[in-house]
Amino acid sequence: AQSVTQPDIHITVSEGASLELRCNYSYGATPYLFWYVQSPGQGLQLLLKYFSGDTLVQGIKGFEAEFKRSQSSFNLRKPSVHWSDAAEYFCAVGAGGDKIIFGKGTRLHILP
Amino acid sequence: ETGVTQTPRHLVMGMTNKKSLKCEQHLGHNAMYWYKQSAKKPLELMFVYNFKEQTENNSVPSRFSPECPNSSHLFLHLHTLQPEDSALYLCASSQTTTPSGGAGEQFFGPGTRLTVL
Repeated sequence: AQSVTQPDIHITVSEGASLELRCNYSYGATPYLFWYVQSPGQGLQLLLKYFSGDTLVQGIKGFEAEFKRSQSSFNLRKPSVHWSDAAEYFCAVGAGGDKIIFGKGTRLHILP
Repeated sequence: ETGVTQTPRHLVMGMTNKKSLKCEQHLGHNAMYWYKQSAKKPLELMFVYNFKEQTENNSVPSRFSPECPNSSHLFLHLHTLQPEDSALYLCASSQTTTPSGGAGEQFFGPGTRLTVL
C-alpha cells in the first residue's frame, strides 16, 4: 500500500541557516509527489510537485526538492530560511485515482 | 472569489445540533475532497467526489453526511456530533489531468474550525 513517512516531527533551525526536511514514500509505480505548507489555522498551500522529468524540482518561496528513486525519497530543501517559513510541512504521494496520501507533517521552528 | 472557499470559518455547536459546512471551488476542477485535521492526528481523508459522484468514503461515521450537487460545490452535513469531532475541516479540489490519470495537485480552502460542546 502507498505510504509517506516524514521521520522528523519537529525541526528547529536558526534564521539564515539551510534546511532539509525528509520524506520517504512507498509506491509501486512512478509516484506523483508533492510538498505542502500549512500556517497555523490555515489550509494547505502547494510548494512544489514532481510528476516526471527533471528530478530536481523548484517551487515557490525559494524551496526545492529532489526525487531520488533509489532511496524512495523526496526531500525538501531551502538554502536560507526566513522567520516566515515557520509552519508545518507535509509531503504527499499520489495514490492512484483521485487520492493523495499525506505524511504526518514536520513542524518547522525558526530561531532568531 | 478565487480558489477554494469555505464557510463558515468557525463553528461552535452542541451535540444535538444540525449544521452544514460549505465548500466552493472556482477552479473548474472535477474532484472535491473533505479532510479532517485534529491536533494530534495526521490529515484524515473523509470523502472524495469526482464529477459529483462519491468515489471514496473512508469509513466515516454516519453523523457526517456529504453532499455534492455539482462539481463546484461540496457540503458536509453534521448532526449529533461528539466532542471528539472537534477539528479543522478542510476542503480541497483537484483536476485529474496527469498523464496516467493519477491525482493532480490538490488546492485547499482555509478550513472550518469546528468545536463541539
